[in-house]
Amino acid sequence: QQQVKQSPQSLIVQKGGISIINCAYENTAFDYFPWYQQFPGKGPALLIAIRPDVSEKKEGRFTISFNKSAKQFSLHIMDSQPGDSATYFCAASTRGSTLGRLYFGRGTQLTVWP
Amino acid sequence: EAQVTQNPRYLITVTGKKLTVTCSQNMNHEYMSWYRQDPGLGLRQIYYSMNVEVTDKGDVPEGYKVSRKEKRNFPLILESPSPNQTSLYFCASSTIQGFYNSPLHFGNGTRLTVT
Repeated sequence: QQQVKQSPQSLIVQKGGISIINCAYENTAFDYFPWYQQFPGKGPALLIAIRPDVSEKKEGRFTISFNKSAKQFSLHIMDSQPGDSATYFCAASTRGSTLGRLYFGRGTQLTVWP
Repeated sequence: EAQVTQNPRYLITVTGKKLTVTCSQNMNHEYMSWYRQDPGLGLRQIYYSMNVEVTDKGDVPEGYKVSRKEKRNFPLILESPSPNQTSLYFCASSTIQGFYNSPLHFGNGTRLTVT
């Protein structure tokens, strides 16, 4: 059973456009929602993360929007650049008895073309 | 430099030939984990370890073994590899204080092909 559902699987955006990737979850015990970015030949690396006590977190061109009631969160990349082309994974975790598990979505391959 | 080191980067083997993928971290992290990445399936957790001599199954542990005899090392063992274990494998580490305080640090991956 997939704990975190991510869409779309792939995304093509023109340079300067907005990239939006969505994730949904069912487990209300999740209380930490990170996004990881992966470039070809590299391991994933933390991009940005949010806790459910806020509805939005922004770091530069990257913003997480969080909707607790809908159990959804999304990554917005403003002014998308070719250097943003990568695979993005959303994830979720708890701090309770399941500490040690970080559940990943299936990933979104983003291509930003000039 | 803080890092997670996996070896080898690429490995081609035949069905049934035992192999070990090594993972080492230099950040004194208690938590270590193995993931496999397959197209369309994302990152799936194989095993994880909260500390030395403490390991637990993830979502896809069948066909794999791990050991945690030292804090810095967490090898992944395939005792009888099969073609369905052809995949890209990642080792990762973090502190025991939880992901709030320390993100998961990944190695650069091991691409395994089993023929």
